[in-house]
Amino acid sequence: GIQVEQSPPDLILQEGANSTLRCNFSDSVNNLQWFHQNPWGQLINLFYIPSGTKQNGRLSATTVATERYSLLYISSSQTTDSGVYFCAVEGGTGTASKLTFGTGTRLQVTL
Amino acid sequence: GAGVSQSPSNKVTEKGKDVELRCDPISGHTALYWYRQRLGQGLEFLIYFQGNSAPDKSGLPSDRFSAERTGESVSTLTIQRTQQEDSAVYLCASGRLSSYNEQFFGPGTRLTVL
Repeated sequence: GIQVEQSPPDLILQEGANSTLRCNFSDSVNNLQWFHQNPWGQLINLFYIPSGTKQNGRLSATTVATERYSLLYISSSQTTDSGVYFCAVEGGTGTASKLTFGTGTRLQVTL
Repeated sequence: GAGVSQSPSNKVTEKGKDVELRCDPISGHTALYWYRQRLGQGLEFLIYFQGNSAPDKSGLPSDRFSAERTGESVSTLTIQRTQQEDSAVYLCASGRLSSYNEQFFGPGTRLTVL
C-alpha cells in the first residue's frame, strides 16, 4: 500500500516563529488532507489539497503531486498551534477509499 | 451544520466483554469510515462504508471486530471478547462519495479494556 512519511517528528518553536512541515508519499494520490489534532484529541481539517497551493490565515499548504510531496507552512506561530499535525492521503484508485496517515509532527509552541 | 458525532465518548470495560461504539455521520454523507488510534500513534484504517455496504473491510484486525451501517446513516462498530490490545481511540469519519472526498472526523470513543 501507499506509504506516508512526515518530517520532522518533533518541533519546538518560540511564539512568533515560522515553520515548514513536510509530507512525502510513495504513489499517486486522489486526495491529500492536512489535520491538526488538538490536545483533546479532536482532528481538525486544515486543508484538502491533492495538488496546488492554498492559504488560510497564518497557514498555507502546497502539494506537488508529480514529485509526491506536500508542505504545510505555519507563520507567526501561537501557543494554540501546539498539537500533532497529520498528513493523510487517499491512493489514486479512482474510487473514494481510506486515508493512509503519516505518523505526524508533534509541535510545541512556547512563550 | 452538525458534525460527526460518536458515542460513548469514553468506555471502560473488562477483558472478555463485548462493546458497541456508535457513529452518526454528517447528514447527506454517503461514505463512512472507522479508524483506530493507539496512544501516541497515527490513525489506522479499519473499515469503509459506501451507503450500507462495506467494499473495504481490510483493516479489521480480527474476526472479533464487525461493523454495520443502516439507513445510510448511523454505524455501529462491535468488538467481541475485548482484549487489552483493543484499548485505543476509535474514530469515525464521513465524506461525500465524489471526486472531492474530504473526510470529516468525529471526536472519537476512548476505549479502555482492563
